[in-house]
Amino acid sequence: NAGVTQTPKFRVLKTGQSMTLLCAQDMNHEYMYWYRQDPGMGLRLIHYSVGEGTTAKGEVPDGYNVSRLKKQNFLLGLESAAPSQTSVYFCASKRAGTDTQYFGPGTRLTVL
Amino acid sequence: SQQGEEDPQALSIQEGENATMNCSYKTSINNLQWYRQNSGRGLVHLILIRSNEREKHSGRLRVTLDTSKKSSSLLITASRAADTASYFCATDAFRSNYQLIWGAGTKLIIKP
Repeated sequence: NAGVTQTPKFRVLKTGQSMTLLCAQDMNHEYMYWYRQDPGMGLRLIHYSVGEGTTAKGEVPDGYNVSRLKKQNFLLGLESAAPSQTSVYFCASKRAGTDTQYFGPGTRLTVL
Repeated sequence: SQQGEEDPQALSIQEGENATMNCSYKTSINNLQWYRQNSGRGLVHLILIRSNEREKHSGRLRVTLDTSKKSSSLLITASRAADTASYFCATDAFRSNYQLIWGAGTKLIIKP
């Protein structure tokens, strides 16, 4: 079991560029989450999904879009990157009816 | 918005000593979880305590929960260098069984 994987691990973008972060999990979890982590702050939820084909906004959704076309994958898109989106992005998943979230290793994104 | 607030923000102790971290939250909860994050890595679940529990143990970890004070503490006994990490509390806050709300974390350094 690979658990939760994220690609890429690092990325540098210029302001206005777009990119997609991929999260994949092999645990057949129903719920998936995208968070951002900034220095001195806890995780902030960007978007989440409670099942294939469903997505919902979290605490800080502006500037991001997501898709969950397959149960095992959750994509996070930045259509027009801004320096304020410089952060470390974590994906997590959990099984329905349970409380523990399982995290990927993170993607460090820098927007210049 | 941040539900949990950890205290202290940083803690440095000698190997072998006990480390205590505290978490306060604002609203009623179903459960509270503690996670560990090693530098540059994703978060790993440590322990969950439910609102009807007052204390829980797992190996060298001891968690207490005081719902009247809306606070929890994580005690790590006989600390080891490998315990050096950031520790986060997360609550579900009743409002959603999908989402967790995270504190800003306590950075623990174990000196050899």
